[in-house]
Amino acid sequence: DTGVSQDPRHKITKRGQNVTFRCDPISEHNRLYWYRQTLGQGPEFLTYFQNEAQLEKSRLLSDRFSAERPKGSFSTLEIQRTEQGDSAMYLCASSFPGTGGTFYEQYFGPGTRLTVT
Amino acid sequence: DAKTTQPNSMESNEEEPVHLPCNHSTISGTDYIHWYRQLPSQGPEYVIHGLTSNVNNRMASLAIAEDRKSSTLILHRATLRDAAVYYCILRANYGGSQGNLIFGKGTKLSVKP
Repeated sequence: DTGVSQDPRHKITKRGQNVTFRCDPISEHNRLYWYRQTLGQGPEFLTYFQNEAQLEKSRLLSDRFSAERPKGSFSTLEIQRTEQGDSAMYLCASSFPGTGGTFYEQYFGPGTRLTVT
Repeated sequence: DAKTTQPNSMESNEEEPVHLPCNHSTISGTDYIHWYRQLPSQGPEYVIHGLTSNVNNRMASLAIAEDRKSSTLILHRATLRDAAVYYCILRANYGGSQGNLIFGKGTKLSVKP
């Protein structure tokens, strides 16, 4: 399978626990994005990487959230001291960077559904 | 970022054409119009994008108004598999740098057999 994969697909945790999600992008893609999606809403941007460099972070990414992409391949998103408001679908996407008028579409994974009880 | 406005929901009959509208009256000259869709329980997938001219691909057509303040995604023959939430997104190209997508609530398309 050459698509974007995410692990785990579902995570149930108790409030206050830490959780970590993994995203494996399409191998040739050097851009990797994280989004969060709550019920009935469109995805909201959290952060993105170009290779191992984290180029942009949304103000939604509080101090409890941290993302890494250590070798420019897979990425992890960690949430510390989870809160009930963190319950959402966490989506990962990857793409080529694109320059000038050339856009490359983002390919999304199936997401990790987090439930904080 | 410029905002888009889409109807919350639309219905279509199978095998009939569907026209999904999007208003973007504050679009700037550097904004491209992108469409993504999200099938139930899946991540979004790219459909099509354009700047000024109408665009066609194997999935759909994109008709862009002459003043670029609105656009329409056209599915030529809707199938049950086209039932999804369709997002119209403006994506700027500042100096060649392209970042994240900004999603609204989209249009939920229902397709009746």
